[in-house]
Amino acid sequence: GQQVMQIPQYQHVQEGEDFTTYCNSSTTLSNIQWYKQRPGGHPVFLIQLVKSGEVKKQKRLTFQFGEAKKNSSLHITATQTTDVGTYFCAAPIYNQGGKLIFGQGTELSVKP
Amino acid sequence: NAGVTQTPKFQVLKTGQSMTLQCAQDMNHNSMYWYRQDPGMGLRLIYYSASEGTTDKGEVPNGYNVSRLNKREFSLRLESAAPSQTSVYFCASSDPGFQPQHFGDGTRLSIL
Repeated sequence: GQQVMQIPQYQHVQEGEDFTTYCNSSTTLSNIQWYKQRPGGHPVFLIQLVKSGEVKKQKRLTFQFGEAKKNSSLHITATQTTDVGTYFCAAPIYNQGGKLIFGQGTELSVKP
Repeated sequence: NAGVTQTPKFQVLKTGQSMTLQCAQDMNHNSMYWYRQDPGMGLRLIYYSASEGTTDKGEVPNGYNVSRLNKREFSLRLESAAPSQTSVYFCASSDPGFQPQHFGDGTRLSIL
């Protein structure tokens, strides 16, 4: 079946270091979404990417969608303690309407 | 503006007991979802409802039933709870298609 793999599972960084999480699909995607979940909280939508090779920025966060639309990445420049949480990618399940399949998530911890 | 409201927030059950998790949204969304979240496994879709009166199975539907009571409310029922159903349950809603999903705060369910 369709799979979305996310790596790494955990990342521990010193405040000020950069962070990247990668999302890889077994199939070509029409689009991809990214969510952030703070510890003890619920997932919150960050962004959606649609076009091949698309790059979007939100302050220190940079999101990329691969040219082949089978992978995506989220890069955080100069992490802050407020970046702590788990980052998920989510992709539509092929031919299944509005259903999403989520990656396993990357848990980011930031040491001050 | 409440968004997506889930009740209860916490629940402890004994094996074999039944219960219903409630979810209501006030954003006039057509689509609603139930997910479960287990450590290291991301979010897995249990059931999906594209509109009032329609429901569809997700990735892990066994042991659960749902009811889309009206456009606002989507409930999840465990008829005979099992320890394997210990998890955090999230309800979400969205506009139709591949649109950002809005999540409730979750229900933390333990089954002994």
